[in-house]
Amino acid sequence: EVKLVESGGALVQPGGSLRLSCVASGFTLKNYNMNWVRQAPGKGLEWVSYFGHTGTVMYYADSVRGRFTISRDSAENSLFLQMNSLRAEDTAVYYCARDGGKSYENDYWGQGTLVTVSS
Amino acid sequence: QSALTQPASVSGAPGQSITISCTGTSSDVGAYNYVSWYQQHPGKAPKLILYGVSNRPSGISYRFSGSKSGNTASLTISGLQTEDEADYYCNSFARSNILVFGGGTKLTVL
Repeated sequence: EVKLVESGGALVQPGGSLRLSCVASGFTLKNYNMNWVRQAPGKGLEWVSYFGHTGTVMYYADSVRGRFTISRDSAENSLFLQMNSLRAEDTAVYYCARDGGKSYENDYWGQGTLVTVSS
Repeated sequence: QSALTQPASVSGAPGQSITISCTGTSSDVGAYNYVSWYQQHPGKAPKLILYGVSNRPSGISYRFSGSKSGNTASLTISGLQTEDEADYYCNSFARSNILVFGGGTKLTVL
């Protein structure tokens, strides 16, 4: 069974940092492209970052480029999102999602982890 | 990065059909057949219901169908059921932005 479990969300002050983790099971992470997608309270979905399965291609939304870094640990079958210089507008539930490999669809999602940026 | 445009809300009675539109540009929806749709119930993670414009993943009801014309993709749900009441999001691969989502549509089953 494919499963994604995020963790690391917390209350953090503006300007602070946080590292989110996503542990995958039921499949080998390094064989798939992966995404982070976030959802601010009461708002819609927003794509945040993409990690290509080769490990050499990463993309970011304009809103987070230069502040967030996506990475992977194949040995731990885990995906990470390092978030620096956090702003109030980064407050959201962060989901990791697997790219199914057919047409950039996200076929499996985790349950999400809440990041709150507030003083 | 502009979001794809969806109606904020749609409604229909049980048994009826509804269609949700998703309008993008020639750089995303119009450029690729890489449109997917997600269903999200309150407090839950999104669930993939269509990919590649009109393909249904295993386990998704035939009542969900998709199409695309120009820069606009559409999701049609036929034979509405109460459990279809949820938020629906379209998503497209975009030339420079990788992925872009629609703003979401709240479906109410009357």
